[in-house]
Amino acid sequence: RKEVEQDPGPFNVPEGATVAFNCTYSNSASQSFFWYRQDCRKEPKLLMSVYSSGNEDGRFTAQLNRASQYISLLIRDSKLSDSATYLCVVILNTGGFKTIFGAGTRLFVKA
Amino acid sequence: DGGITQSPKYLFRKEGQNVTLSCEQNLNHDAMYWYRQDPGQGLRLIYYSQIVNDFQKGDIAEGYSVSREKKESFPLTVTSAQKNPTAFYLCASSITAAQETQYFGPGTRLLVL
Repeated sequence: RKEVEQDPGPFNVPEGATVAFNCTYSNSASQSFFWYRQDCRKEPKLLMSVYSSGNEDGRFTAQLNRASQYISLLIRDSKLSDSATYLCVVILNTGGFKTIFGAGTRLFVKA
Repeated sequence: DGGITQSPKYLFRKEGQNVTLSCEQNLNHDAMYWYRQDPGQGLRLIYYSQIVNDFQKGDIAEGYSVSREKKESFPLTVTSAQKNPTAFYLCASSITAAQETQYFGPGTRLLVL
């Protein structure tokens, strides 16, 4: 089982739709969580950190469920510019720190 | 402007040749990382460095080497021992190695001739 798993998609949604991505992690030593966005042939860029209390940044909402070991990203009112791959990132603390990247979920927003 | 730069953007390697990818940051970050990304796959860690003059192997270090002589610089050499080097190479840095957000350079795409 992969340490961080994401549905690869692609998710094809119309403009204005709400779309949700989930990411599961297997190691209970996971301590920090992030969502990154990666455009085609570009570097990943931090979208948002994920906190236990949940956090919102405009149209984006991230949630963490430690009991079930998953994090989620909700995008409301999708824009064409939201089309990208969304990477789930988990940092483990097992004596040393290790960053694990999910393979990403591809999103296409269409007019 | 503060940030991470990588060069070149594209690099072509001949069989049996060693090539070096540059990564420079002016963010005053202690930790730096090298990742490899293959199509449809997640990032895989090659090497990382938590401090100057120190580095550790990641998950796929075979066929690669690094140095960290300066805080700002973390070059990656792809040696002839790396039999499948074609990939997108990403350098990143973070303030420290402990639970810190990583910031990425624009990447180098390596192709084998």
